Amino acid sequence: NAGVTQTPKFQVLKTGQSMTLQCAQDMNHNSMYWYRQDPGMGLRLIYYSASEGTTDKGEVPNGYNVSRLNKREFSLRLESAAPSQTSVYFCASSDMGPQHFGDGTRLSIL
Amino acid sequence: QKEVEQNSGPLSVPEGAIASLNCTYSDRGSQSFFWYRQYSGKSPELIMFIYSNGDKEDGRFTAQLNKASQYVSLLIRDSQPSDSATYLCAVRPLTGANNLFFGTGTRLTVIP
Repeated sequence: NAGVTQTPKFQVLKTGQSMTLQCAQDMNHNSMYWYRQDPGMGLRLIYYSASEGTTDKGEVPNGYNVSRLNKREFSLRLESAAPSQTSVYFCASSDMGPQHFGDGTRLSIL
Repeated sequence: QKEVEQNSGPLSVPEGAIASLNCTYSDRGSQSFFWYRQYSGKSPELIMFIYSNGDKEDGRFTAQLNKASQYVSLLIRDSQPSDSATYLCAVRPLTGANNLFFGTGTRLTVIP
């Protein structure tokens, strides 16, 4: 049982490059989330999708876009990466209970 | 005021002692409360959830909820070095779909 799977696990980008972080869950959850975690800042919500076909901004959406491709998959795109986006990115999924997290993507922007 | 507040620590306890982690929240209508453990370099892992006032026990862990005072706590009995981690408190508010508000976490170190 894989749970929430994120790819890639590590990535280094140059300023201005674009990339997409992938997330897939096999728990048949309706809701999916993207967070970033920075030292001393805790988990901050970037975007979420309450159900297939809907997406909404979280606390820190600037510089990001998302796509809820289907019920299983929720991707996060950085169109023009900036050093301030260096962080650890977590995807999570849930229904009415707790959120379950993927292993994270460690992203460095040079 | 942050939605969820935790003492960042670090909190150090000797092996075998009780570790007490506290969390306060601002939304009085919050209904669901979760404790996650996060080892360094790893993702958050759910260890406890509580929905009703009072205590909930699971092995060495006890979650305590007091909605009138708007705090939730986690007690870890017989603390082990393997309990050394950051503990995140998360609260689901009354509104906002299934979203959670997370505290910044308390770093616990259990000293052998």
